[in-house]
Amino acid sequence: EVQLVESGGTVVRPGGSLRLSCAASGFTFDDHAMNWVRQAPGKGLEWVAGIKWNGGSPGYADSVRGRFTISRDNAKNSLYLEMNSLRAEDTALYYCARESSSSFHFDYWGQGTPVTVSS
Amino acid sequence: DIVVTQSPDSLAVSLGERATINCKSSQSVLYSSNNKNYLAWYQQKPGQPPKLLIYWASTRESGVPDRFSGSGSGTDFTLTIDNLQAEDVAVYYCQQYYDILPFTFGQGTKVEIK
Repeated sequence: EVQLVESGGTVVRPGGSLRLSCAASGFTFDDHAMNWVRQAPGKGLEWVAGIKWNGGSPGYADSVRGRFTISRDNAKNSLYLEMNSLRAEDTALYYCARESSSSFHFDYWGQGTPVTVSS
Repeated sequence: DIVVTQSPDSLAVSLGERATINCKSSQSVLYSSNNKNYLAWYQQKPGQPPKLLIYWASTRESGVPDRFSGSGSGTDFTLTIDNLQAEDVAVYYCQQYYDILPFTFGQGTKVEIK
């Protein structure tokens, strides 16, 4: 069974940093590109960042480029999101999402980890 | 960026009736080399993560009931839910993956029971 379990979300002050993790199991992790998608309270889905199976070609939303860094460790079946210079508008539930091996749509999602940026 | 716009923002449908949700992209998501539309639909129930329903605009994900169907091509797409059930109450999102930098989602359509 495919499982994606996010962790690391917490309350952080504006300007602070945080590292989110996503532990993957039930599939061959390095067969898939992976992504982070966030959802602000009561709002829709916003793609944040994505990374290819081999860690190459990371991509970012304009809203986070230069502040967030996506990475992965295939040996540990884990995906990460390093978040710096956090702002109130980064407050959201952060989902880890797997890209299908045959396409670019997201076929599995984790339950999410909440990040609150507040003083 | 490709902008994806859904309509309506919400709709209320009686049990057993049909729900229709529209999705329009600001540019075509039809890839001419394989004749596939790079569009997916997701269902998000309260307190749950999104769940993939349909990809390639009309291919149902394994395990998704056949009352869910997707149609359309180019820039205009539709998600149809036939014989609406109580468990279909959710917010539905379309997503384009033609241009993956960035992936973009519609704003969501909330489906309720009338």
